[in-house]
Amino acid sequence: DAEITQSPRHKITETGRQVTLACHQTWNHNNMFWYRQDLGHGLRLIHYSYGVHDTNKGEVSDGYSVSRSNTEDLPLTLESAASSQTSVYFCASSDPSGRNGGYEQYFGPGTRLTVT
Amino acid sequence: QKEVEQNSGPLSVPEGAIASLNCTYSDRVSQSFFWYRQYSGKSPELIMSIYSNGDKEDGRFTAQLNKASQYVSLLIRDSQPSDSATYLCAVATGYSSASKIIFGSGTRLSIRP
Repeated sequence: DAEITQSPRHKITETGRQVTLACHQTWNHNNMFWYRQDLGHGLRLIHYSYGVHDTNKGEVSDGYSVSRSNTEDLPLTLESAASSQTSVYFCASSDPSGRNGGYEQYFGPGTRLTVT
Repeated sequence: QKEVEQNSGPLSVPEGAIASLNCTYSDRVSQSFFWYRQYSGKSPELIMSIYSNGDKEDGRFTAQLNKASQYVSLLIRDSQPSDSATYLCAVATGYSSASKIIFGSGTRLSIRP
């Protein structure tokens, strides 16, 4: 079955280190998204991509970067991890050619990141 | 004003009753609306989509949309303990398929036996 996976599921890192979170989907969806979820803030969009070599900043993009070299993967990189980036990170994808414009997003299982 | 607003709860409903979850949004041109369910420690799961004014029913779930009032709701009939979760309202802004989704902060629902 097609799916969306994230790795690692849990990560502890130190302040200042570079960290990369992986997201892989097998639905062949063009659209992919990265969110962070914090208590009291709900889901906030970090970066998103509408296809290979396309990337866009979301509302909380500072300190994060993404690249899209193929349809299946959108890795999220924290250039220099900060304690404020301790959060749960979710990757999602959607098919823009789907019914009703394909806005429906499907989420991966999440990565819990702790920056000490 | 937040773009998508929900009462954070917790909303406590007895088993077998109807749970009513509400959401308001600020962007008048929004066209697509979604309800996600999120169990504690899990990822959001899409349970309902609604695109036109009125009601849409799927099993025990009914989504209601009123674009004039910028209001969308989710009714859960015959509530079960397994319905205890946080429910996220989400709204797609703009018209194109490249639209992003804005999420509310969620309403925590607790079904008491």
